[in-house]
Amino acid sequence: SQTIHQWPATLVQPVGSPLSLECTVEGTSNPNLYWYRQAAGRGLQLLFYSVGIGQISSEVPQNLSASRPQDRQFILSSKKLLLSDSGFYLCAWTLRASGSPLHFGNGTRLTVT
Amino acid sequence: KQEVTQIPAALSVPEGENLVLNCSFTDSAIYNLQWFRQDPGKGLTSLLLIQSSQREQTSGRLNASLDKSSGRSTLYIAASQPGDSATYLCAVRPSYNTDKLIFGTGTRLQVFP
Repeated sequence: SQTIHQWPATLVQPVGSPLSLECTVEGTSNPNLYWYRQAAGRGLQLLFYSVGIGQISSEVPQNLSASRPQDRQFILSSKKLLLSDSGFYLCAWTLRASGSPLHFGNGTRLTVT
Repeated sequence: KQEVTQIPAALSVPEGENLVLNCSFTDSAIYNLQWFRQDPGKGLTSLLLIQSSQREQTSGRLNASLDKSSGRSTLYIAASQPGDSATYLCAVRPSYNTDKLIFGTGTRLQVFP
């Protein structure tokens, strides 16, 4: 069966520091991968998605970037965090086949101080 | 522009009740609709996925229906239990050629003993 791992679970970082969140999927090949952010009291916002190694689509221009160095690995990064980057970050995957369900990791709670 | 609404925002019921959670969308031309459950501080768990050609899907005590023409989906929970307490979100995939789901803001359900 497929599983998705996301770490760390929680992170407290000062303003201006770098960020690296990692997500890996096991048990499948060539998944579509996604990074979402869920801010308090707001809905889910799609940040980035990827349909293959090195292929990244950005939905929202901002202080973050994403990379996909391997087929089942997705990384969310920032060179300098802002206070507004605080939130709950969720990685997700789906099979390439159209109509497949979306599956989420357990998320990372990021607090920028 | 597709918008997804979930009403009520919060619901509190005694154990054993049968529940209906509502999800409305403004554009009936959807590809599929997915229901999720989110426990506090956790990621989203996929519950049911309904393709646009389907009317309903069932899993255990959960039944989700889809009425595209009226822009509505309902999640029916039979014989609710305290363990069903969570936030329930629906998400619409607008078309085959988009990877971007549009999420509702959720219904927070509390089932008390």
